[in-house]
Amino acid sequence: KQEVTQIPAALSVPEGENLVLNCSFTDSAIYNLQWFRQDPGKGLTSLLLIQSSQREQTSGRLNASLDKSSGRSTLYIAASQPGDSATYLCAAPNDWGYSSASKIIFGSGTRLSIRP
Amino acid sequence: GAVVSQHPSWVICKSGTSVKIECRSLDFQATTMFWYRQFPKQSLMLMATSNEGSKATYEQGVEKDKFLINHASLTLSTLTVTSAHPEDSSFYICSATALNQETQYFGPGTRLLVL
Repeated sequence: KQEVTQIPAALSVPEGENLVLNCSFTDSAIYNLQWFRQDPGKGLTSLLLIQSSQREQTSGRLNASLDKSSGRSTLYIAASQPGDSATYLCAAPNDWGYSSASKIIFGSGTRLSIRP
Repeated sequence: GAVVSQHPSWVICKSGTSVKIECRSLDFQATTMFWYRQFPKQSLMLMATSNEGSKATYEQGVEKDKFLINHASLTLSTLTVTSAHPEDSSFYICSATALNQETQYFGPGTRLLVL
């Protein structure tokens, strides 16, 4: 059964810093991995989806990497801004089936606070 | 990306009443929908998986008679919390997908408060 762990649980940095959020997963036979953002009291916003054949994906100031062999993914945020403050969730499929209908297992998230 | 909506966005009810939450895929036909629950400061936990026209598959520890799921059409799934109690207060999020979709698409969530 897939287990997803995120470290750190919380992170506070001053505005402008580059930062890295970590995600590890136990079952490396995944077909994709996804990073989400969740603002307080809100739903999920998909940030980046990395397919198993890819090593990284970029969107604006965000870059997500995937290393299946080590069971790790990182989310890199460049030049952080106060608006980046949110909880960031990593999610991986629960099985090796190549289907979007596979169960997704979420990490517990990293609560990020960017200080002005 | 595809759009998934939920209704209502929030609901307050008295203990003992039943509450229905709707999840709709607006621009695609969702063959599979998922229901998640999120308690404060915790991550999302999968409650059940529903395929259109079939009975839902519930995760271990989730009472199927308390959380009734109906997926009668390719664009709508409903979650009914029967005889709600304060401990059912939570954030309920659905996701939807189809075989031709790259991933699951999540709704904005419904916040339930049971008094």
